[in-house]
Amino acid sequence: DTEVTQTPKHLVMGMTNKKSLKCEQHMGHRAMYWYKQKAKKPPELMFVYSYEKLSINESVPSRFSPECPNSSLLNLHLHALQPEDSALYLCASTATSGQGSGELFFGEGSRLTVL
Amino acid sequence: AQSVTQPDIHITVSEGASLELRCNYSYGATPYLFWYVQSPGQGLQLLLKYFSGDTLVQGIKGFEAEFKRSQSSFNLRKPSVHWSDAAEYFCAVGGGGGFKTIFGAGTRLFVKA
Repeated sequence: DTEVTQTPKHLVMGMTNKKSLKCEQHMGHRAMYWYKQKAKKPPELMFVYSYEKLSINESVPSRFSPECPNSSLLNLHLHALQPEDSALYLCASTATSGQGSGELFFGEGSRLTVL
Repeated sequence: AQSVTQPDIHITVSEGASLELRCNYSYGATPYLFWYVQSPGQGLQLLLKYFSGDTLVQGIKGFEAEFKRSQSSFNLRKPSVHWSDAAEYFCAVGGGGGFKTIFGAGTRLFVKA
């Protein structure tokens, strides 16, 4: 069983829609991540939250808006997306200290299709 | 510059045969090294990791990897491949406490009967 839960698993949206991806973990991890993965490519880092504060934004377009309401939840708000934004969006978490830090725990992803 | 190279885009092995997937890294400090596996349409799952100590590490599903500092390599091995091992394999490097994990391009493993 995955310990990082993402919803929805699949999402189809038009370019004018507003939708959100959600991620939840109960491992006590204080770092949470959004990655974007295109077919046959490795995951690309989008955002990192550390202790509920945005730590890294990899120059992601503003049509992607992350939110970390508490230490267990991470959202990605989507607005006015483009067809090229269609991808698998992966949430991950890590511990922030000790030898467990750096080990990413991934959810199963949300498959996004933008029409 | 920090980087991870997986020289093989795809590899085909027969079921029951041995497997070695190659990974070379470039990292300024002592690296934390990882192998992740991804089945189609799924998230990534950690197979094994190396932080320090014994350079031969054991992972899940019968996989192991050996850290060779002199060669900047962290190759993944399995003595006998099963059809269910067909997947994409990513080597990755990161720093302890750091948030940026660098992934290799991945190696797609095909298993033939």
